[in-house]
Amino acid sequence: SSELTQAPAVSVALGQRVMISCQGDTLRVSYATWYRDRPGQAPLIVLFGKNQRPSGIPDRFSGSYSGNTASLTITGAQAEDEGDYYCSSRDSGAGHLVFGGGTKLSVL
Amino acid sequence: QVRLQQWGAGLLKSSETLTLTCAVYGGSFTNPNYYWSWIRRTPGRGLEWIGEVTHRGSGKYNPSLASRVTISADTSKNQFSLRFDSMTVADTSVYYCARGRLTTIALVNYYYFYFDVWGKGTTVTVSS
Repeated sequence: SSELTQAPAVSVALGQRVMISCQGDTLRVSYATWYRDRPGQAPLIVLFGKNQRPSGIPDRFSGSYSGNTASLTITGAQAEDEGDYYCSSRDSGAGHLVFGGGTKLSVL
Repeated sequence: QVRLQQWGAGLLKSSETLTLTCAVYGGSFTNPNYYWSWIRRTPGRGLEWIGEVTHRGSGKYNPSLASRVTISADTSKNQFSLRFDSMTVADTSVYYCARGRLTTIALVNYYYFYFDVWGKGTTVTVSS
């Protein structure tokens, strides 16, 4: 299966640590890419590859892997981190791209 | 710096065809590592990959949409286009064009794919 599964929502207190997970069989052979999505804006990459951050993304964002699960961790969450976070991966067989269902992050 | 500029009709009636075009400025359109893609954001369903095309015209499509979608490339204009047939109210979304990149790490037999450049998005509303 090429599906990616995410929890619908998660909340974190300001300044605390939060982990957002993404589960799927494609993650056994590919790294996930993580996007933050907000209304009125194009999705923004926050993490790609094994644990790479694009220029401008703060180092409080990090990634990890275990089996078929990828996780995005925000250490010291800030109010500006609120948004919908999507993982994505590309199926190794047919080459189709799949997005997870998204996780809505609320910073309290 | 690479920029994607997209355009097309934003208001359609059910059963009509959506056509969107995306122009690539400031970068190579013919790099074989680039996959020129269309993605949409639908209320209640999140992000959905529609499909992609290479500069050579080789396309891949989301299996759930493939019967209605065609993505083509015009290397003479550095543009690629989306044609989406038989639009319905359920296809009301924000449509984005994006540049996809595939990186393979041969040493560990792993790969990753990401969209690093996006257009601004086109809001498409389909009425019944």
